[in-house]
Amino acid sequence: QLQLQESGPGLVKPSETLSLTCTVSGGSISRSSYYWAWIRQPPGKGLEWIGTISYSGSTYYDPSLNSRLAISVDTSKDQFSLTLSSVTAADTAVYYCASGGYEYIDSWGQGALVTVSS
Amino acid sequence: EIVLTQSPDFQSVTPKEKVTITCRASQSIGSSLHWYQQKKDQSPKLLIKYASQSLSGVPSRFSGSGSGTDFTLTINSLEAEDAATYYCHQSTSLPFTFGPGTKVDIK
Repeated sequence: QLQLQESGPGLVKPSETLSLTCTVSGGSISRSSYYWAWIRQPPGKGLEWIGTISYSGSTYYDPSLNSRLAISVDTSKDQFSLTLSSVTAADTAVYYCASGGYEYIDSWGQGALVTVSS
Repeated sequence: EIVLTQSPDFQSVTPKEKVTITCRASQSIGSSLHWYQQKKDQSPKLLIKYASQSLSGVPSRFSGSGSGTDFTLTINSLEAEDAATYYCHQSTSLPFTFGPGTKVDIK
């Protein structure tokens, strides 16, 4: 059973860059046919898909975030990462790292609250 | 972008009652529709994939149906532990999108 754990700063200043890392255990991040995703949930609101990366490094991003977003994989550490630049208060959310097939998500991290505030 | 709408927004239900949640897509998505359950202060959990495929470890009272634009999640004989918000999620085209959620409360 895969386990995923988010890590990173809980507070980011407006206009700065949000960076989160997800550490995968219980399986290799290089396993074929698996995809690794970031989803966020603003406080009291619904789920928002941010982007997905394949085991081979192919990326799929929400077009509305595309210019600010980067997702990468570090297979040597079994980690994948999210960077979101030029953040505003609208980026305040619980950020989940997750995994599964390309189309669905069957493993979720516990979530990390990131607040954008000066 | 494919928009998903869910109904109802909120439902208060007595244990053992049957619950039906619908999800409608703004365009046809075939069977690329998945259902998640999110309990309070927890991460979401996959309940049903590809509209109707059940998953190991998910109670059999949860079932899904539909294709194209109209989908249904059914909870037969609701239990107290089913209190949660339920989300549909489409994966036909990017960006993947989620429905706004249906909150199920236990009376």
